Amino acid sequence: KAGVTQTPRYLIKTRGQQVTLSCSPISGHRSVSWYQQTPGQGLQFLFEYFSETQRNKGNFPGRFSGRQFSNSRSEMNVSTLELGDSALYLCASSEGTGNQPQHFGDGTRLSIL
Amino acid sequence: QKEVEQDPGPLSVPEGAIVSLNCTYSNSAFQYFMWYRQYSRKGPELLMYTYSSGNKEDGRFTAQVDKSSKYISLFIRDSQPSDSATYLCAILHNTDKLIFGTGTRLQVFP
Repeated sequence: KAGVTQTPRYLIKTRGQQVTLSCSPISGHRSVSWYQQTPGQGLQFLFEYFSETQRNKGNFPGRFSGRQFSNSRSEMNVSTLELGDSALYLCASSEGTGNQPQHFGDGTRLSIL
Repeated sequence: QKEVEQDPGPLSVPEGAIVSLNCTYSNSAFQYFMWYRQYSRKGPELLMYTYSSGNKEDGRFTAQVDKSSKYISLFIRDSQPSDSATYLCAILHNTDKLIFGTGTRLQVFP
């Protein structure tokens, strides 16, 4: 079974731009979560989607948004990029909700110049 | 106080050593505990998933949970250079979000 696939792997943007990251979950997995990883803050939860609905949201500004499609693929969007948004963005999928183990992709490394 | 605290390391051990990685957590309502391994430039890889107090073994890895002390550990027996990575403990919050420790960097030298 293929793992979680994230595209692109690397992205360079400038301040003020916006960016869209993509995540394809493991086949059969319906829940997708997004995390931000930085050296200073570690891994922090952004949001979770299940059946095209956002179930949970972390403590990030409204510039961070996401959506999930009917095939469970998910996208994450960040608008008006700031230097502090430079990070590794990780997507994780699980079979469903309710205490299911989450499996991660290799992330998209976003650099803001 | 952070919800999950993890010994930051780094830890450097010789090949064949037994490694002990530890985390503490603050909320006694937490019930599901995981250990992930993350190699450089890769995403976290799920190693162990447990929800009860006691030990769970998988090959050279043993996860230990002590709910009375709010303490979780991962033991690696016969450590290998290929075990060199960052190890992250994670607790599954009841809202289905993972709360991670800061990670312990482990280096196993030949």
